[in-house]
Amino acid sequence: GAVVSQHPSWVICKSGTSVKIECRSLDFQATTMFWYRQFPKQSLMLMATSNEGSKATYEQGVEKDKFLINHASLTLSTLTVTSAHPEDSSFYICSAGYGRVWSNEQFFGPGTRLTVL
Amino acid sequence: AQKVTQAQTEISVVEKEDVTLDCVYETRDTTYYLFWYKQPPSGELVFLIRRNSFDEQNEISGRYSWNFQKSTSSFNFTITASQVVDSAVYFCALSMEYGNKLVFGAGTILRVKS
Repeated sequence: GAVVSQHPSWVICKSGTSVKIECRSLDFQATTMFWYRQFPKQSLMLMATSNEGSKATYEQGVEKDKFLINHASLTLSTLTVTSAHPEDSSFYICSAGYGRVWSNEQFFGPGTRLTVL
Repeated sequence: AQKVTQAQTEISVVEKEDVTLDCVYETRDTTYYLFWYKQPPSGELVFLIRRNSFDEQNEISGRYSWNFQKSTSSFNFTITASQVVDSAVYFCALSMEYGNKLVFGAGTILRVKS
């Protein structure tokens, strides 16, 4: 149980286009979903936290108008990279929180590798 | 602010050697959670362990063991009799009681040579 999927697993796009990445919790309802970004040979950095039905909370330095997050249901969150540029090329990983806050369970998706040409 | 430091950028060992990955954390909270994740070349994070701040018992799981010491704010990870399949990047992470978001260390690249 507790499986999180991401789609697509990799995407190549041209500069200036928008890309949507989906994160789904397959067998549980995720009250909270997190989006992380990982540049090559670097650590994971939290971009934003999204709760179903409410606006996402972005970390300092993350442009909310560029990285649009929608958490429309308890099983789906989407990250849209708008007007993508080569510097947005990165590995994007989502995770889903499960259960009560204190249980601190969090399950990661397999990641989406974005390359912007 | 919360911070996780993994001072070892890269470690190379020969198969069957024991290796310890260091993790030092900073937080002002009294309740927090510590994690270790493995990231193989495929990129997918593999959960290894979670420990809360009230449980200082060391844990052993097969060839893996963890040493949690609040006095030194450390949560070190030891692999006994390392294998080539252990080659990966290992991340230590910290989370507060509320919010669940994780703060990751920089990661340690472990290379196990046959």
